[in-house]
Amino acid sequence: GAVVSQHPSRVICKSGTSVKIECRSLDFQATTMFWYRQFPKKSLMLMATSNEGSKATYEQGVEKDKFLINHASLTLSTLTVTSAHPEDSSFYICSVGGRGGYEQYFGPGTRLTVT
Amino acid sequence: GENVEQHPSTLSVQEGDSAVIKCTYSDSASNYFPWYKQELGKRPQLIIDIRSNVGEKKDQRIAVTLNKTAKHFSLHITETQPEDSAVYFCAATQTDSWGKLQFGAGTQVVVTP
Repeated sequence: GAVVSQHPSRVICKSGTSVKIECRSLDFQATTMFWYRQFPKKSLMLMATSNEGSKATYEQGVEKDKFLINHASLTLSTLTVTSAHPEDSSFYICSVGGRGGYEQYFGPGTRLTVT
Repeated sequence: GENVEQHPSTLSVQEGDSAVIKCTYSDSASNYFPWYKQELGKRPQLIIDIRSNVGEKKDQRIAVTLNKTAKHFSLHITETQPEDSAVYFCAATQTDSWGKLQFGAGTQVVVTP
């Protein structure tokens, strides 16, 4: 599989502030990473596909100006939640494609709480 | 687009018994079907997957079966143990449209000693 890290694991921020979450592929170069959010006791919902060196592709209903994604290198993608509000509180998880090209391996997730 | 339905939403089994989770998909073009196990507060972990050119795949106590005609696939866990307690998600995608896993709603499995 792929080894994926995320930072931070937990973050609490005040309403109106921005939060950056990092996703790193530790053992191979990933041209594509994915960002999901997961509400308590719910399934994973794809937010966007992060492509190295180009703009991210957002899923319908996901505001690209609110959830800024930057995939500046083959091992790092970042998700910035801008002007966070309590409804943005969620578990954000990234994933990296495996060497087979279609399987995905997930990072440990970031628990965001907006007060 | 693809739509994946998963049943049951919760499953309680006695230790040592078998557990079966079923998923159906809508897009006949989907050809890759992974299963993930997620413990509370942790990342989803890929436990087994199957491609559409195979009808069944087994890895120790877990197995997955696929019926392309009926567009459904199932996860089978035999000789369940307390550490099998978790939420299990099925997913479907097309390997030539890289990524975009469509997940089922999840099944909470509780194995009681």
